Amino acid sequence: KNEVEQSPQNLTAQEGEFITINCSYSVGISALHWLQQHPGGGIVSLFMLSSGKKKHGRLIATINIQEKHSSLHITASHPRDSAVYICAVRGGNFGNEKLTFGTGTRLTIIP
Amino acid sequence: GAVVSQHPSWVICKSGTSVKIECRSLDFQATTMFWYRQFPKQSLMLMATSNEGSKATYEQGVEKDKFLINHASLTLSTLTVTSAHPEDSSFYICSATRGWAGELFFGEGSRLTVL
Repeated sequence: KNEVEQSPQNLTAQEGEFITINCSYSVGISALHWLQQHPGGGIVSLFMLSSGKKKHGRLIATINIQEKHSSLHITASHPRDSAVYICAVRGGNFGNEKLTFGTGTRLTIIP
Repeated sequence: GAVVSQHPSWVICKSGTSVKIECRSLDFQATTMFWYRQFPKQSLMLMATSNEGSKATYEQGVEKDKFLINHASLTLSTLTVTSAHPEDSSFYICSATRGWAGELFFGEGSRLTVL
C-alpha cells in the first residue's frame, strides 16, 4: 500500500462542474502540498497545508490531520483546469524536506 | 517569473554521451534541492537530495556514478547523466524550498531523449 493514495485516478467532467480530488496518507507529516502538472510537464505548487483550509480563486484545499486526509476542490471548473493534480506530503520530522508523492489525478474538463 | 529555473528544457543525445542539467534558484538561496525523474503517465520519483557543499544523498536503486549531482553554490545544483542510454530517456525535474515556511518551487523540467 502506497503511503499516499489519491482518488480518483482519472476524472472527466463538464465545464462548470464542482470537482473534488481526494488524498489519504498513512504517515506522520509536517505539511501537505497540492501540485498541478500541465501536459508540458511543468509543475506548480497550488497549496501547502498543515491544518484547516485554504482558498485561492476557484481552488479550495482542506486537510484533516486526525483522519490523515486532504481534499482539493475546484469550483466552476474550466477546460484550462485540465491537468494532473498531485498530492505530496512532507515528512513529519523537523528539517525533513523530502516529499512523498501520490500517483496523481488526471483531470479533463470538457467544454 | 520563474523562481527555480532549469536548463535545458529538452535535450537529445546519442547513446554513450553525458548530459548536464542545471537547476538554479533565482531569488533565494537553496541549501537543499531535489532531483526527480518522471516516466510517461507515472508520478514523480525522487532520485536524490542535493546538499550544498556536501555529497548528495541518493535514493535506493539510483546509481550515484551514473547520475552525478553537484551542488557547488547556494543557487545552483547540476545533474549529469553519464554515459546515457535509451533507458535513461525521461523527464527530469528539480525542486527547492524557500524560507522557513518551506514554499515549494519546481524547475520547468528537462526532457531527455537518448538515441
